[in-house]
Amino acid sequence: NAGVTQTPKFQVLKTGQSMTLQCAQDMNHEYMSWYRQDPGMGLRLIHYSVGAGITDQGEVPNGYNVSRSTTEDFPLRLLSAAPSQTSVYFCASSTGGWYSSTDTQYFGPGTRLTVL
Amino acid sequence: AQSVTQLGSHVSVSEGALVLLRCNYSSSVSVYLFWYVQYPNQGLQLLLKYLSGSTLVESINGFEAEFNKSQTSFHLRKPSVHISDTAEYFCAVTPGGYNKLIFGAGTRLAVHP
Repeated sequence: NAGVTQTPKFQVLKTGQSMTLQCAQDMNHEYMSWYRQDPGMGLRLIHYSVGAGITDQGEVPNGYNVSRSTTEDFPLRLLSAAPSQTSVYFCASSTGGWYSSTDTQYFGPGTRLTVL
Repeated sequence: AQSVTQLGSHVSVSEGALVLLRCNYSSSVSVYLFWYVQYPNQGLQLLLKYLSGSTLVESINGFEAEFNKSQTSFHLRKPSVHISDTAEYFCAVTPGGYNKLIFGAGTRLAVHP
């Protein structure tokens, strides 16, 4: 199994540009999520999905959109990038759903995004 | 609201030393507790977790953490660290039965020869 994969690894955008961060998992996990990691703040939940066609907002959803058309893929879209979105983005997945609070989450290697 | 506090953003120790990484949480509901490790330029990996039962949990690479409900703590320690333990360590909780990790700010551990 490849686990959780993310592309690209690095990206530089100009303010106002849009882009999609890709995330895929091959473990047939129902639950997938996106976090951003900022220095001194740990990781914060952006959006999550408990299955294909079901998504919801996390702690810091503004400026980001998600969709889940398949179990495997969970892309994160930045519609109009802002410098405040400069961060490292991690995708994660786990077997259970929203009420499976004991699950281990498996993280991808991250995408480092810089918005100028 | 739930929160996680990790005391000390950077810890530097010599190889073979004991290390203690502190984690305290605040929550009005019951929580499950996790420690994740992030090696340089990698994603996070689960190190250990406390769900129920014995309050002392261990990882396969010699780390251990003890859940203390009265002190709302879940400190991580290793009696003798190795250079390969150099990484950032994150304490996290999932509150009230929901699959939503709330992370502390992380502690960067540097182990030097």
